[in-house]
Amino acid sequence: ETGVTQTPRHLVMGMTNKKSLKCEQHLGHNAMYWYKQSAKKPLELMFVYNFKEQTENNSVPSRFSPECPNSSHLFLHLHTLQPEDSALYLCASSPTGTADTQYFGPGTRLTVL
Amino acid sequence: EDQVTQSPEALRLQEGESSSLNCSYTVSGLRGLFWYRQDPGKGPEFLFTLYSAGEEKEKERLKATLTKKESFLHITAPKPEDSATYLCAVHPGGGSQGNLIFGKGTKLSVKP
Repeated sequence: ETGVTQTPRHLVMGMTNKKSLKCEQHLGHNAMYWYKQSAKKPLELMFVYNFKEQTENNSVPSRFSPECPNSSHLFLHLHTLQPEDSALYLCASSPTGTADTQYFGPGTRLTVL
Repeated sequence: EDQVTQSPEALRLQEGESSSLNCSYTVSGLRGLFWYRQDPGKGPEFLFTLYSAGEEKEKERLKATLTKKESFLHITAPKPEDSATYLCAVHPGGGSQGNLIFGKGTKLSVKP
């Protein structure tokens, strides 16, 4: 595997389910990010991790819970989501997390019923 | 408030018809401006990073330029495979580290 990978690529869940999104980067980077992309809206930054430490939480509801066990892996735990949370969730990584280029994964298309 | 505006929202070109996409920004200082290409259902693919006014970068049929208020992505003699949404993002000088601000994108369609 190369670059940034995300699993699953597609996820359908009910409002009462609990699921997790996984991201792995094979670039040796130290910063990882979660973004939400909804139709007709710009990408919205959700969380930033730098050297496994969360450095940004962009006022994201608590039903989204990130986890970063090491610099290569990032998870987004989901519980009691709402239909408006349906979107493309993108993971990205960058070398240092300081205004450097971010490289994105293919995304997880989430549908909340 | 930091803001990024891309225009036009959508652009239809004939193959070989050159044009430019615009990204205007209002930020408190600029630490970098980034262009990405995004195909439907996929993640953004990095194209260019520009750091200072006057800087230019090229890759195949694409050329990105930067001024103090805006950036242009010039597409020369486009081909159908250039069809995609092009995203612009800026990293403002102040604020949190790693916090990119994205525009809504320009959807480019190139017809043969």
